Amino acid sequence: AQKVTQAQTEISVVEKEDVTLDCVYETRDTTYYLFWYKQPPSGELVFLIRRNSFDEQNEISGRYSWNFQKSTSSFNFTITASQVVDSAVYFCALSEAPSIGNQFYFGTGTSLTVIP
Amino acid sequence: DAGVTQSPTHLIKTRGQQVTLRCSPKSGHDTVSWYQQALGQGPQFIFQYYEEEERQRGNFPDRFSGHQFPNYSSELNVNALLLGDSALYLCASSLVLSQNTEAFFGQGTRLTVV
Repeated sequence: AQKVTQAQTEISVVEKEDVTLDCVYETRDTTYYLFWYKQPPSGELVFLIRRNSFDEQNEISGRYSWNFQKSTSSFNFTITASQVVDSAVYFCALSEAPSIGNQFYFGTGTSLTVIP
Repeated sequence: DAGVTQSPTHLIKTRGQQVTLRCSPKSGHDTVSWYQQALGQGPQFIFQYYEEEERQRGNFPDRFSGHQFPNYSSELNVNALLLGDSALYLCASSLVLSQNTEAFFGQGTRLTVV
């Protein structure tokens, strides 16, 4: 069965603090993709990153970084020096072996509030 | 380059009515997926269309149906609306040649059933 768990429902941090959003996934496939999306109040899901199951190299993009560990089935997301504009709901998602008709499995999201 | 566009943005319907939501995919994309996002939850997969056919379906009743047109745009129809159908409906487009491994989402249609 496929499942994505985001145990942190809500997180509040003071501006400039670092924050890590946790994501744990379950899948039986050996080929899969993991994603993080940001959802501001407007509702649109904004793509942040995609990683495939064969690439465990961590990635950094500006203030964002991602830690993918297959051994613990985790794909955590860290925001360094948080800013008020980072306030949003963040979703981790899993997509299995690419094909026609594949679907995304989303976690329940983590609502991040950055306090000025 | 227009992204994924959905219409309408908001909709209020009465129980038992029928509703049609529309989605235009990102330019160049040929696959459209629909998701339902209840308040405080993550999006749940409804179905996906490619080449005007439903390719995969999530755990949703037959009251939910869809269509894809030759220009790749899509409609989601929901019959006999229930209060529990109130949610944000998101459309995602992707490209089958990229094996649908990256999806772009629209802003969604917020449906309220009263």
